[in-house]
Amino acid sequence: GAVVSQHPSWVICKSGTSVKIECRSLDFQATTMFWYRQFPKQSLMLMATSNEGSKATYEQGVEKDKFLINHASLTLSTLTVTSAHPEDSSFYICSVSGRGYEQYFGPGTRLTVT
Amino acid sequence: QKEVEQDPGPLSVPEGAIVSLNCTYSNSAFQYFMWYRQYSRKGPELLMYTYSSGNKEDGRFTAQVDKSSKYISLFIRDSQPSDSATYLCAMSGHSGGSNYKLTFGKGTLLTVNP
Repeated sequence: GAVVSQHPSWVICKSGTSVKIECRSLDFQATTMFWYRQFPKQSLMLMATSNEGSKATYEQGVEKDKFLINHASLTLSTLTVTSAHPEDSSFYICSVSGRGYEQYFGPGTRLTVT
Repeated sequence: QKEVEQDPGPLSVPEGAIVSLNCTYSNSAFQYFMWYRQYSRKGPELLMYTYSSGNKEDGRFTAQVDKSSKYISLFIRDSQPSDSATYLCAMSGHSGGSNYKLTFGKGTLLTVNP
């Protein structure tokens, strides 16, 4: 399977500031990456599908101007949470699509907005 | 009716027990079925990946898919305390541009007691 890293693993920021989360595919050229968020004791919610070199496709209800996604290369996608608020505090996880329909996930980034 | 139903548990078993985890689904287009294990505050880890109906075995883990009943299972033999985690079923199918999207169950929290 693919090895996926995320940075940072945990970030605390003040309300109103922006935070960037990086997702890297370390051993696999990922044409497609996915961004999820997960609230405590809940399942993963897909936020957007990120395709290298093109605009991300956002799920219904996800504000594209608030959650900026850039997939600049086959190994790197970034998620920027703009003007973060306490309700944006969550666990953000990226994944890469494998050769079939499976996905391989990163370790996640815990965002706390104070 | 939700697309994927999974009993959230919690499920508590003694070490060495056989564990059975299940999901049902309603979308007959699903053809790819996955089981993920997620430890607390970590990203999901792909355990098993099956296509269409049938069984697949990997060590202590066996995945079963019954498309006629829209029912999938994961069996864990000789369960260990290290198996304590949340188990998520996920599935995907042919759906135009959303081929690679995964639909997740809510996850079942398993505790294996020494």
